Amino acid sequence: AQSVAQPEDQVNVAEGNPLTVKCTYSVSGNPYLFWYVQYPNRGLQFLLKYITGDNLVKGSYGFEAEFNKSQTSFHLKKPSALVSDSALYFCAVRDHSNYQLIWGAGTKLIIKP
Amino acid sequence: KAGVTQTPRYLIKTRGQQVTLSCSPISGHRSVSWYQQTPGQGLQFLFEYFSETQRNKGNFPGRFSGRQFSNSRSEMNVSTLELGDSALYLCASSLEGLAVDNEQFFGPGTRLTVL
Repeated sequence: AQSVAQPEDQVNVAEGNPLTVKCTYSVSGNPYLFWYVQYPNRGLQFLLKYITGDNLVKGSYGFEAEFNKSQTSFHLKKPSALVSDSALYFCAVRDHSNYQLIWGAGTKLIIKP
Repeated sequence: KAGVTQTPRYLIKTRGQQVTLSCSPISGHRSVSWYQQTPGQGLQFLFEYFSETQRNKGNFPGRFSGRQFSNSRSEMNVSTLELGDSALYLCASSLEGLAVDNEQFFGPGTRLTVL
């Protein structure tokens, strides 16, 4: 069965430090992977996606993600965190059998000044 | 370009009632998908409409239904509301839908509370 796991409910990082939000997946076939961010009282915003090609994907707001096929992971990273990065982050993978996105439970990222 | 809009933003209903939520996609987008977001279950896919036809459906009971109009605006209806239907309902639009790996643009959601 297709699934996405975000093993951390919450990640705390000091402003200016690098951040990583973890995501692992299980899917049949080649994975199509996505990261979205949700700010309070707002809908989700697309950050980046991996379909094929370079394992390091660059996205919006200085975020990037590294696709690792052997570890079935797609961790979200940023070299220097900002307080404004505090939000809820969702990883998703596409189920090729029905084209639906399978979503992780979300990770709350808190950046402290 | 205006983003995805959803109305109303907040709604309070009682058990047994029905509710209709509305979503206006980004101009030119033909696909509208609906999601239910709850703290316990996370984001769950309800259905997708493309050019007025339901193209994809998640695992929700028949009390949840939707439709799409010729201008791509979509409505979602929930009948015989249950306490467990309390959630944030998100609408997302995209140019060509889920079958193509194009980006989905989400609205701010409608917060439904069932008492």
